[in-house]
Amino acid sequence: SQTIHQWPATLVQPVGSPLSLECTVEGTSNPNLYWYRQAAGRGLQLLFYSVGIGQISSEVPQNLSASRPQDRQFILSSKKLLLSDSGFYLCAWSVGGSYSGNTIYFGEGSWLTVV
Amino acid sequence: GIQVEQSPPDLILQEGANSTLRCNFSDSVNNLQWFHQNPWGQLINLFYIPSGTKQNGRLSATTVATERYSLLYISSSQTTDSGVYFCAVTYSGAGSYQLTFGKGTKLSVIP
Repeated sequence: SQTIHQWPATLVQPVGSPLSLECTVEGTSNPNLYWYRQAAGRGLQLLFYSVGIGQISSEVPQNLSASRPQDRQFILSSKKLLLSDSGFYLCAWSVGGSYSGNTIYFGEGSWLTVV
Repeated sequence: GIQVEQSPPDLILQEGANSTLRCNFSDSVNNLQWFHQNPWGQLINLFYIPSGTKQNGRLSATTVATERYSLLYISSSQTTDSGVYFCAVTYSGAGSYQLTFGKGTKLSVIP
């Protein structure tokens, strides 16, 4: 069966420091991968999605970047964190391909607090 | 973009009661999912239901795509049902991968 893991689960980072959140999926090949952010307790916003290695699409302009160095690995990064980057970050996957009407599965999430 | 509205925003139930959560969306969709976010933040898939009716234990969902709404039914609620319930859709326009979430319904089940 397919599983998705992301880490770290919690982190507290000072303003201006770098960030790296990692996500891996097991049990499937060529998945679509996503990074979402949830701020202020509700409402999830899509940050990035990827349909293949090295293919990244960004939905909103921001201080963050994403990379997909391997088929089932998705990384969220920042060179210099801002206070506004605080939030709950969720990695997700769905069956690959151009069709968007597939079930999306989420990882456990990472709580980021920028101080 | 597509709009997703959920109601009610907050709901308090006595254990054992039934409830109906509603999700309205503004355009055609090819993906509609219901999630339960537990107190630890994890989003748990409940249903993938772009149309029709599905049931899973005490939960069931119905989507009427032509009228652009979906309903989530919770019967005989338990305290473990507490959390936030999200409806999320993908617009059926070509090339859309974005799962657009509603603001959620916060459910509190009290013993």
